[in-house]
Amino acid sequence: EAGVTQSPTHLIKTRGQQATLRCSPISGHTSVYWYQQALGLGLQFLLWYDEGEERNRGNFPPRFSGRQFPNYSSELNVNALELEDSALYLCASSLVANEQFFGPGTRLTVL
Amino acid sequence: AQSVTQLDSHVSVSEGTPVLLRCNYSSSYSPSLFWYVQHPNKGLQLLLKYTSAATLVKGINGFEAEFKKSETSFHLTKPSAHMSDAAEYFCVVSGYGGATNKLIFGTGTLLAVQP
Repeated sequence: EAGVTQSPTHLIKTRGQQATLRCSPISGHTSVYWYQQALGLGLQFLLWYDEGEERNRGNFPPRFSGRQFPNYSSELNVNALELEDSALYLCASSLVANEQFFGPGTRLTVL
Repeated sequence: AQSVTQLDSHVSVSEGTPVLLRCNYSSSYSPSLFWYVQHPNKGLQLLLKYTSAATLVKGINGFEAEFKKSETSFHLTKPSAHMSDAAEYFCVVSGYGGATNKLIFGTGTLLAVQP
C-alpha cells in the first residue's frame, strides 16, 4: 500500500512570492492534515481537511490556506512568503480519528 | 488545554543498553497519547499509541510506553538500543472535543546511540 506522498521535495522561493505544496493521502483516507516543522518552533498543526471541508485550523495567519479535492488530495498555499515561513511542511492522512500517517515532507526555503 | 512536555532534549546511550525517553502530559480529560519517530530527512512514523485501553502499550521495533495517570507520564522505553534507533522522538497528545484530530507535539528528544 502506498503511503502519503508529497510534492515537491524541496521548494525555493523569495520573499513575497506564493508557494503551493501538494499532498496525496493513503488510498481510502478522507482526512488530510498539514503541519509546519520550523527550526526552534517544533511541529505545529496548520490545517485539517475532511471530505473537502476545512475542519480545524491552527494559529496561523490567513495567508496560509489550502483545499482538498474530490479525490481527497490536498494543496497548501502560502501567500506573501516571509523568511520565517522556511520550514519542513508535513502532510498526514487518516481514516480513523487520531491515527495519522505522515508523508516525507516538503522543505520550503524562503530567500 | 492539552500539552506534552518532553523532559530531555538530547539522550545518548550505548548500543545494547536500555533507552528511556521521558514525557509528561497535561490534559483535562482522558487523553490519547502517541510516540512518533523521525529519522533524518524522513517523515514521522507512528511508534505506538495509547487510547485508554491497556496502560502498557507495545509498539514497533521493541519500543513500549506505560501510561501512568497518577504521574501524568507516558515514558518511552526499549530494553536494548540499536544503532538504527538514532533519531528524534516526539511525544504527542490529541486535542479534545472538536479538535480531537489535532495532534499536539512535544519539542522532541534527539536520541544518539554510541557504538
